[in-house]
Amino acid sequence: GAGVSQSPRYKVAKRGQDVALRCDPISGHVSLFWYQQALGQGPEFLTYFQNEAQLDKSGLPSDRFFAERPEGSVSTLKIQRTQQEDSAVYLCASSPHRDQLNYGYTFGSGTRLTVV
Amino acid sequence: QKEVEQNSGPLSVPEGAIASLNCTYSDRGSQSFFWYRQYSGKSPELIMFIYSNGDKEDGRFTAQLNKASQYVSLLIRDSQPSDSATYLCAGFSGTYKYIFGTGTRLKVLA
Repeated sequence: GAGVSQSPRYKVAKRGQDVALRCDPISGHVSLFWYQQALGQGPEFLTYFQNEAQLDKSGLPSDRFFAERPEGSVSTLKIQRTQQEDSAVYLCASSPHRDQLNYGYTFGSGTRLTVV
Repeated sequence: QKEVEQNSGPLSVPEGAIASLNCTYSDRGSQSFFWYRQYSGKSPELIMFIYSNGDKEDGRFTAQLNKASQYVSLLIRDSQPSDSATYLCAGFSGTYKYIFGTGTRLKVLA
């Protein structure tokens, strides 16, 4: 596809349920990012992959959050035992560059997670 | 203190006027800054970025950077109702991790 594709667009989970959010980056993009955007806030960094290597997971809020990109393309963000504070929009972004300073990157349309 | 600060607004301007959006940052090591536009319920869309002191123009948009004052701004000339959105300022921590402000909501009044 032409852009970063995320699925599902909306997810309602009961507290304690596990969820998996999928990101299909732009074909050939080596860098992939996950961000979390709470209502009324700017996006906050969660994790970064370069190809299949997870180079930075410093933003993952707890050990309930896990991300993978096993073949260097599609990525999945998994949240175990969801809590109400996990309700947010989860944004995926990709870039063809390893160094983003002079380029920026393109976000997908996001997955809105609501934990009830 | 957040590393990137923005006034949340809303900033209201009449159609055809210049909208001025401002952002300050605390990390003197930050090298480049990005402006994203986000419509309600949509994902952020990159407008432009700047890494040198001074002005950078792209169509109706001008980004301004003053590293000595740690200040970034975005000017939108001839504002249109379709410009009504939240504008997010972001700096980089290192070479890949965005630090976003909370965004400024802009309303252009027809």
